[in-house]
Amino acid sequence: AQTVTQSQPEMSVQEAETVTLSCTYDTSESDYYLFWYKQPPSRQMILVIRQEAYKQQNATENRFSVNFQKAAKSFSLKISDSQLGDAAMYFCAYRSWDNYGQNFVFGPGTRLSVLP
Amino acid sequence: SQTIHQWPATLVQPVGSPLSLECTVEGTSNPNLYWYRQAAGRGLQLLFYSVGIGQISSEVPQNLSASRPQDRQFILSSKKLLLSDSGFYLCAWSIKPHRSGVNQPQHFGDGTRLSIL
Repeated sequence: AQTVTQSQPEMSVQEAETVTLSCTYDTSESDYYLFWYKQPPSRQMILVIRQEAYKQQNATENRFSVNFQKAAKSFSLKISDSQLGDAAMYFCAYRSWDNYGQNFVFGPGTRLSVLP
Repeated sequence: SQTIHQWPATLVQPVGSPLSLECTVEGTSNPNLYWYRQAAGRGLQLLFYSVGIGQISSEVPQNLSASRPQDRQFILSSKKLLLSDSGFYLCAWSIKPHRSGVNQPQHFGDGTRLSIL
């Protein structure tokens, strides 16, 4: 079974600075998808960024980018120019490709604080 | 566009009472549907998922059950709530994957905060 690990339960960053959240996963599959979700205090789960395993190019969404290292099974999230609104729990998630695609696995989350 | 509705937003129930949380999806057909539970400050625990009407898979043996009476409706139920059932419940949907390479994330409802007294 796949597992997702986020080794940093809590992180903090100064406003306007850059922070990197780590995520590693364990799988024997070659085709899969990876995601980062953000959960602010409102507890809505918001998709931040996504990555297909077959793509070597790292995904980027505005201030958010990932460093995807397939061989190392690592999928870190970099937030540039951090803003107060970035404060939230961040979850790394893995989805395997199969006929039904029901297999989503979430990491335990990293709580990010943004300091003014 | 697709939307997901989950209700109620907040629920306070006594121990031993029944439960029914409902989730509906609009704007898509034949989605995968999921129920998660999240304890305060913790990660997501997958409770149930469904790939079609009447098809329910349980991930964690517990006091809860799920049903999918219609294609875009997913219901989480309990006959008798326990204190340990307290938490934040999230419904989610996704389209089924295919080899087009289009990424397939999950999309979440706003959640139900359940408190058991």
